[in-house]
Amino acid sequence: DQQVKQNSPSLSVQEGRISILNCDYTNSMFDYFLWYKKYPAEGPTFLISISSIKDKNEDGRFTVFLNKSAKHLSLHIVPSQPGDSAVYFCAARGSSNTGKLIFGQGTTLQVKP
Amino acid sequence: EAGVAQSPRYKIIEKRQSVAFWCNPISGHATLYWYQQILGQGPKLLIQFQNNGVVDDSQLPKDRFSAERLKGVDSTLKIQPAKLEDSAVYLCASSLDRWSTNEKLFFGSGTQLSVL
Repeated sequence: DQQVKQNSPSLSVQEGRISILNCDYTNSMFDYFLWYKKYPAEGPTFLISISSIKDKNEDGRFTVFLNKSAKHLSLHIVPSQPGDSAVYFCAARGSSNTGKLIFGQGTTLQVKP
Repeated sequence: EAGVAQSPRYKIIEKRQSVAFWCNPISGHATLYWYQQILGQGPKLLIQFQNNGVVDDSQLPKDRFSAERLKGVDSTLKIQPAKLEDSAVYLCASSLDRWSTNEKLFFGSGTQLSVL
């Protein structure tokens, strides 16, 4: 049962343009969502998060949007840079708050110079 | 601040052998997690500790996997005997406290296990 889905395995964009990564979830009890970035041979690193009481959170070039009615969130990167090339994981936490995160399959972003 | 430390970085074993992974979380972090990441998939939680107690091990294959965090600090994850499908990256993560609002997990670099 895949509760968090990232349906696009890969995305390629030109440097300076916008990157949009998408994530869908099925469990309406999720109360907190995070994006992690992973470079090869490294562990995932936290990028940005959003609580279910908000619909947008911005941090520099990164913005996460949450549409609760559609059970959908997206990560926007503007402008995209070659150093952003990595695997991006969407993750969700249940409201039981054990801290347990459920991850999507990941989207590989390639930013071309 | 030192991050989450894991060892070894890589391990190659034959099926039916045993293997152990070690993790030292960020100092002061009460919660420790072991995740399994199979190639092409997202990390999947195997076990979660709060101090030295188990919070969630519902997805741990207990017939072959075991984990402990005896003193509430570092932890070991063991597989015995290993199967081909155990080939994956084993990620350790820690967080300050699972009850904290908007808590983040910090991950180690992982152990890449190949079972031949």
